[in-house]
Formats: sequence, structure tokens, C-alpha cells
Amino acid sequence: EVQLAESGGGLVQPGRSLRLSCVASGFIFDDYGMNWVRQVPGKGLEWVSGINWIGDRIGYAEHVKGRFTISRDNDKNSVYLQMNNLRPEDTALYYCAKGRGIHWGLAPMDHWGQGTLVIVSS
Amino acid sequence: EIVLTQSPGTLSLSPGERATLSCRASQSVDSSYLAWYQQKPGQAPRLLIYGASTRAPGIPDRFSGSGSGTDFTLTISRLEPEDFAVFYCQHCGSSSLTFGGGTKVEIK
Repeated sequence: EVQLAESGGGLVQPGRSLRLSCVASGFIFDDYGMNWVRQVPGKGLEWVSGINWIGDRIGYAEHVKGRFTISRDNDKNSVYLQMNNLRPEDTALYYCAKGRGIHWGLAPMDHWGQGTLVIVSS
Repeated sequence: EIVLTQSPGTLSLSPGERATLSCRASQSVDSSYLAWYQQKPGQAPRLLIYGASTRAPGIPDRFSGSGSGTDFTLTISRLEPEDFAVFYCQHCGSSSLTFGGGTKVEIK
């Protein structure tokens, strides 16, 4: 059974940093691209970032470019999202999601974690 | 960037009725990269349809997807009580992934 477990969320002040982690199990991790998607409670889904199977092709949504960094460690079956210079508008539930292919793009997300909540507030 | 517009925003229907949800892209997209998700309250999204018309594993055949170019449709042939939720379409581009704003299917 595919499982994705996010952690690292919490309350953080504007301008500070946070690192999210997602540990995967139940599939061959380094065969798939991975994504982070966020959702403001009560609102829609917003793709944040994606990384391909080996970590050498990465994509970011425009509103997080230069502030967020995605990475992965295939030995630890984990994907990470380093979030710097956080803003109140980054407040959301952050989901880790597995892609259906080796790349993060050109493929939907067929498994999702339960999310970790990030609140950016002073 | 491709913008996806879903309509209607809310669909009020009774169990047993047919639901037709629309997703319109701001420019023509390859149907291979159009997906649909279902999200129930307090749950993560679930992949329903990919490639515009292929059901994901375990998805009942009352769910079907169709369309091409800029206009795509998700149809639920006969609504079951567990189908009431919010549905999102998604374009899986090569440089970004975009979601539509969602359609809520609620019990009438």
C-alpha cells in the first residue's frame, strides 16, 4: 500500500523558514516524480513544486520561485520542501503527492499524503 | 500558463441523478495531460481520471471523462451518496501543473 507521510508544518513568523518532509513507502520511490501541492482551508488546490525521479529536473510555481527549494533523498525515500522568507499568504495545508511517472510534469498525481499545516503569522 | 475554468461552481443534485461537470482550458491542451480529482471534506484529493478519459485504478465505472482541445467533461452517471464532494480538473504541463477552481457537487 502506498503511503505518504508529511511532517514539519507549524506556526512560523513572516520572513522565517520551515522545512517540510515527506516519507514514502509501498512503492519504488526512485521510479517516480514527486510534488508538493498546497490548499488554503476551504479553498482550491495549488501546485507548488515538483521534482523528477533522480532530482535533476525541478519545477516551481511562480509565486514560490526563489523562496522554496524542493529536494529528494532516494536512499531515505523522502522528498523535502525548504521554505524560506515565508509570507502570510503561504499559510496552507501542504500535501506531498506521488506522480504517475518518472517526471513531475506530464503526469497526474495518483497518491497523496494527508498534509501538514503551515501557518505564517506574527 | 494554462488557466482552467470549471463550471458550475456548485451543482445541487439528488442521489441517482446524472452529474455533468465542465472544465475549460484557456488554450488547447493535449488531452493526455488532463486529469480529474475528487476531494471529500477532511480528506486528500483522489485521482479519478487521467488522460482525459482513463479511469484510475479502483474508480467505479459510473465516473467517465471526455473532451479534447479546450473543453473537457467529467460525468457521474448515477450519483451515489459517497460521490458528493468537490471535483478538480488539472492540466499536467511540462513546466507547471495547474488546477481548476473546483466544482462542488452537493446533495439537493
